[in-house]
Amino acid sequence: EAGVAQSPRYKIIEKRQSVAFWCNPISGHATLYWYQQILGQGPKLLIQFQNNGVVDDSQLPKDRFSAERLKGVDSTLKIQPAKLEDSAVYLCASSFGDRNYGYTFGSGTRLTVV
Amino acid sequence: QKEVEQNSGPLSVPEGAIASLNCTYSDRGSQSFFWYRQYSGKSPELIMFIYSNGDKEDGRFTAQLNKASQYVSLLIRDSQPSDSATYLCAVTTGGGNKLTFGTGTQLKVEL
Repeated sequence: EAGVAQSPRYKIIEKRQSVAFWCNPISGHATLYWYQQILGQGPKLLIQFQNNGVVDDSQLPKDRFSAERLKGVDSTLKIQPAKLEDSAVYLCASSFGDRNYGYTFGSGTRLTVV
Repeated sequence: QKEVEQNSGPLSVPEGAIASLNCTYSDRGSQSFFWYRQYSGKSPELIMFIYSNGDKEDGRFTAQLNKASQYVSLLIRDSQPSDSATYLCAVTTGGGNKLTFGTGTQLKVEL
């Protein structure tokens, strides 16, 4: 079984620029999550999708962050414009079904905003 | 009060000893509890999950859950240097299946 794919692995941008991250979940996983992990902290949920729909985006800074999941498969997370405090690892995870047996995380995208 | 609390450590144990990692949570409605291991520069990796009060064993790992005390722990027996990592406790919150993570406990297993 192929894992959760994410790209790019690393990205360095200047503040006020825009950036996009891509995620392809495990085949058949209906639920997709984007987490932000700042150095020294635990992952924080940004947004949860169930198929095409958003289940929870309460912690997504909507003035600068956006996410979509077209056709219930791939997902893109965008930041525009980026701030210094957005420097973090962005993790995508997916899970199967309603019962949570634990997520599988992708390798993450490390974003540095300078 | 944080939703999921862990001691950040570092917790240092000698090789071969038992490492005990602890976690408390605030949402009494939480149903599922997870332990993830995260090596430096890597993404979290699921090592254990537990749903019911009591103990659950898997190899050298034992997860313990006490819902009345809102407490979950992870024991690692015969600790190895390769166990040196940050251990993240995660709990389902908000009545759904999203996970809320603690800040993690750094474990160092010394030779």
